[in-house]
Amino acid sequence: NAGVTQTPKFQVLKTGQSMTLQCAQDMNHEYMSWYRQDPGMGLRLIHYSVGAGITDQGEVPNGYNVSRSTTEDFPLRLLSAAPSQTSVYFCASKGGLSYNEQFFGPGTRLTVL
Amino acid sequence: DQQVKQNSPSLSVQEGRISILNCDYTNSMFDYFLWYKKYPAEGPTFLISISSIKDKNEDGRFTVFLNKSAKHLSLHIVPSQPGDSAVYFCAASDNYSGNTGKLIFGQGTTLQVKP
Repeated sequence: NAGVTQTPKFQVLKTGQSMTLQCAQDMNHEYMSWYRQDPGMGLRLIHYSVGAGITDQGEVPNGYNVSRSTTEDFPLRLLSAAPSQTSVYFCASKGGLSYNEQFFGPGTRLTVL
Repeated sequence: DQQVKQNSPSLSVQEGRISILNCDYTNSMFDYFLWYKKYPAEGPTFLISISSIKDKNEDGRFTVFLNKSAKHLSLHIVPSQPGDSAVYFCAASDNYSGNTGKLIFGQGTTLQVKP
């Protein structure tokens, strides 16, 4: 199992450009989430999904879109990048009900100029 | 409004000694708490967790203590090893969010264990 994979590892965008951060998991997990990590802020939830076709907003959803057409994939879209979206983005997945650990991907470091 | 707070940005301890990382929360609905460890350029990895029905959970060198009345939890690492040097995040969840994978994270504490 590859676990949770994210591409790209690094990306530089200009203000106003769009892009998609890819996330995939091969553990057949129902639950997937996107977090961003900023200095002094910890990790903040952007969007999450409880299964294919179902998504919802987290703490900081503005400027981001998601969709979940398959169990395996959960892409995060930036429609018009802003410097405030410069951050490290982590995708995570969790299997089953109730409390159990989430598995995180290695992260994508995004810089918006 | 930071619902989960780690007030110490950094901690430095000597190898072999105890490391104590602290975490405070404000939301009384939180009933499950987790600690994640993060190395540079890697994603966070799960370390240990505790349910609100317990006040202590132990796993090898790692023990988490929960004081619900004080809304405080702590992670003890004994003995500390240089490989423990990393950023440690405290996270919390409530009964509803737990099923969805939604976690509220603290700001993180950078632990440095000196040889």
